[in-house]
Amino acid sequence: GAVVSQHPSRVICKSGTSVKIECRSLDFQATTMFWYRQFPKQSLMLMATSNEGSKATYEQGVEKDKFLINHASLTLSTLTVTSAHPEDSSFYICSARDPRGGNQPQHFGDGTRLSIL
Amino acid sequence: RKEVEQDPGPFNVPEGATVAFNCTYSNSASQSFFWYRQDCRKEPKLLMSVYSSGNEDGRFTAQLNRASQYISLLIRDSKLSDSATYLCVVNIRAGNMLTFGGGTRLMVKP
Repeated sequence: GAVVSQHPSRVICKSGTSVKIECRSLDFQATTMFWYRQFPKQSLMLMATSNEGSKATYEQGVEKDKFLINHASLTLSTLTVTSAHPEDSSFYICSARDPRGGNQPQHFGDGTRLSIL
Repeated sequence: RKEVEQDPGPFNVPEGATVAFNCTYSNSASQSFFWYRQDCRKEPKLLMSVYSSGNEDGRFTAQLNRASQYISLLIRDSKLSDSATYLCVVNIRAGNMLTFGGGTRLMVKP
């Protein structure tokens, strides 16, 4: 079964709306989670690394004031797309690494498909 | 230059065919290597890790050439269900961050 849960799976909203996406690790504690974005026919691009109890680390070109990340607990990270516009429409995926190890370098959520009208 | 490069395809092959995908990476300090599979509108799923000695899992064989900074995936006896995008993934930096290639699309036809 899924070890990383992402919600919601699909969002359609008007331009200017802020959208919050949740990423939860279900059976392990994750001090670090990762947020990716994938545009159609392109690969996953790392947006930011979410760090529990401290500020997220953003990749070059990703606006921290646009994409707010909060990692308030060891099992939950949230990504808020503020004042979303059509160009923010994309597939957003989170991941987390199980500190207990295993063969998976990271466990991925199911992804959130965001469509801004 | 992209950190991880793949031929985007698509590769259109008949069932039962053998198909090979290649991937190159730019950072010689890369530590770990993987092949992921991604179905349309779904999250990526780990297909297999890639080890220096090469490794096989059923119909899938992965090879790593550190000197050439090159990774390959061979799929034998292709099935219709193998149709997907195959992502070459490299762990380049500390902190377990993964860098994804652009993916190679495979379409297996009857």
